[in-house]
Amino acid sequence: DGGITQSPKYLFRKEGQNVTLSCEQNLNHDAMYWYRQDPGQGLRLIYYSQIVNDFQKGDIAEGYSVSREKKESFPLTVTSAQKNPTAFYLCASSIWYLQETQYFGPGTRLLVL
Amino acid sequence: GIQVEQSPPDLILQEGANSTLRCNFSDSVNNLQWFHQNPWGQLINLFYIPSGTKQNGRLSATTVATERYSLLYISSSQTTDSGVYFCAVGNFNKFYFGSGTKLNVKP
Repeated sequence: DGGITQSPKYLFRKEGQNVTLSCEQNLNHDAMYWYRQDPGQGLRLIYYSQIVNDFQKGDIAEGYSVSREKKESFPLTVTSAQKNPTAFYLCASSIWYLQETQYFGPGTRLLVL
Repeated sequence: GIQVEQSPPDLILQEGANSTLRCNFSDSVNNLQWFHQNPWGQLINLFYIPSGTKQNGRLSATTVATERYSLLYISSSQTTDSGVYFCAVGNFNKFYFGSGTKLNVKP
């Protein structure tokens, strides 16, 4: 089946630790996105990528980093510089950037120990 | 950035009732989507509707781009319709979500 997978489902981070969230899609989409959702809030854009080897900052990129070495993969690293990382992280993809429908993965819940 | 306001923030319905959710946005957009987030956090796209009217079963949506608003209609609501409904809009550079309407359909 085509779709977007995210792993892990839950992730625990210790103080000062970098953690990486995985996002994979087999929809052959060019564009991929990372969003953060805090309780009771809408989604906010962290990073997006329109094409392989290219990515741009969203509204809340500080403390995060990404890479896009393959079309199907867009991992997000939450660095120790992100002081409030506890949130629900959602990955999405679309055929082209901001065109047509965005499809979302099931999300990763990140908790700080 | 574009401001996206959704109303009402909370809605409680009896099963079988109809409802209308509203999304107002502050600037011209070329992308507008409605999503349903279920209690487990999964976001499902309902409509891609930058303008015009679309229907899918008991759901329909209308966007009046010139007046910068969109409406989502839910008819004959079911308990499985419960969750949070988000409106998201975009222009050529960014994509913005509203804070959502939390719907609770009671049996």
